[in-house]
Amino acid sequence: DVKVTQSSRYLVKRTGEKVFLECVQDMDHENMFWYRQDPGLGLRLIYFSYDVKMKEKGDIPEGYSVSREKKERFSLILESASTNQTSMYLCASSPGLLAKNIQYFGAGTRLSVL
Amino acid sequence: EDQVTQSPEALRLQEGESSSLNCSYTVSGLRGLFWYRQDPGKGPEFLFTLYSAGEEKEKERLKATLTKKESFLHITAPKPEDSATYLCAVHEGYQKVTFGTGTKLQVIP
Repeated sequence: DVKVTQSSRYLVKRTGEKVFLECVQDMDHENMFWYRQDPGLGLRLIYFSYDVKMKEKGDIPEGYSVSREKKERFSLILESASTNQTSMYLCASSPGLLAKNIQYFGAGTRLSVL
Repeated sequence: EDQVTQSPEALRLQEGESSSLNCSYTVSGLRGLFWYRQDPGKGPEFLFTLYSAGEEKEKERLKATLTKKESFLHITAPKPEDSATYLCAVHEGYQKVTFGTGTKLQVIP
């Protein structure tokens, strides 16, 4: 079974802190994604990566950056956390570039910024 | 602007009471429509992919169908364990996936 592991289930941070969310997948997938999920807004794509060191902006990249130094690991970075970044963050991975690819999700990290 | 709209937002069913969830979409070039199930505190889990109008997929009490404008997730004789949020996602173009906001289903014994 595909496994996508997010390093933390819950995080509480202070405004202005630099925050790292880590995600690791064990299926050698090319693509990895970071979403945030908010009530009434659904899942919104922040960034995705289709290869090591490659990244593409999603729909809401402002205030975030990402890093993919190894194929299995994709990190989301909040450079200076703000209260409006309080949310559930979901990482996903999928194989290849074709439209037939299922996304496999981690369990999520619930981040609270105080 | 591409849109994916799911209805209803919430649905409460008695055990055994069949119903349907709707996902309507306006995208320029559909490459696939996905249904996911999400349990509280967990990430979405894949259920079905549909690629062309007229296609149907089934799994246990769930059946997904697709037309040119919408998809339905039919739930036949649901059980309490079917309670979850069901998400629809539309795939178009280069890795662009747009998710709906989901339908929260509650099945009461």
